[in-house]
Amino acid sequence: SYVLTQPPSVSVAPGKTARITCGGNNIGSKSVHWYQQKPGQAPVLVIYYDSDRPSGIPERFSGSNSGNTATLTISRVEAGDEADYYCQVWDSSSDPNYVFGTGTKVTVL
Amino acid sequence: EVQLVESGGGLVQPGGSLRLSCAASGFTFSSYWMSWVRQAPGKGLEWVANIKEDGSEKYYVDSVKGRFTISRDNAKNSLYLQMNSLRAEDTAVYYCARVGQQLETFYFQHWGQGTLVTVSS
Repeated sequence: SYVLTQPPSVSVAPGKTARITCGGNNIGSKSVHWYQQKPGQAPVLVIYYDSDRPSGIPERFSGSNSGNTATLTISRVEAGDEADYYCQVWDSSSDPNYVFGTGTKVTVL
Repeated sequence: EVQLVESGGGLVQPGGSLRLSCAASGFTFSSYWMSWVRQAPGKGLEWVANIKEDGSEKYYVDSVKGRFTISRDNAKNSLYLQMNSLRAEDTAVYYCARVGQQLETFYFQHWGQGTLVTVSS
């Protein structure tokens, strides 16, 4: 099955930029989606199709994907951005088809 | 507004059964693939099963094949997960999710609040 690797944690000061990576073999050839999950809450889609934002998601959230790494970037980080973030791909040749990353805990200092 | 409300979770003994339900509203339920995704305590997300708009195709993660059955009732705007032969490792919060599709990729557009299933004696 396809494997997505994320750093366990990222720390960032308020107002700075957080970058969360998602590594996978030739992930640039796939579409990557990102979810935010705050403690005790359900996940929320924040980026889909590498870099598209659902309605209601701030422009501070952006995504990119190339080579073996996809990146979720959170600009001008706020305290409310503290959460777990998961990347996800759909891979027709993988079993299962839906693959989630290992998750990254973002801590706002 | 899209709403997904799960119910049916609880404490069950190993080997037991449970049926989860998800009531959908705010969108045309019969036009979307739907999924169940679970999260074990303190762990990451794991896709469990999904079902096509008309129920004609169903897919499962290997660990639940033969034990879990996903189904839907489009007339009632409801999604179900019948879980049999439950194991301790099935303990998790189970989320109902609406599947989004763009070209040849799929993702989870909307999520319910989740229902906790605990398998323990």
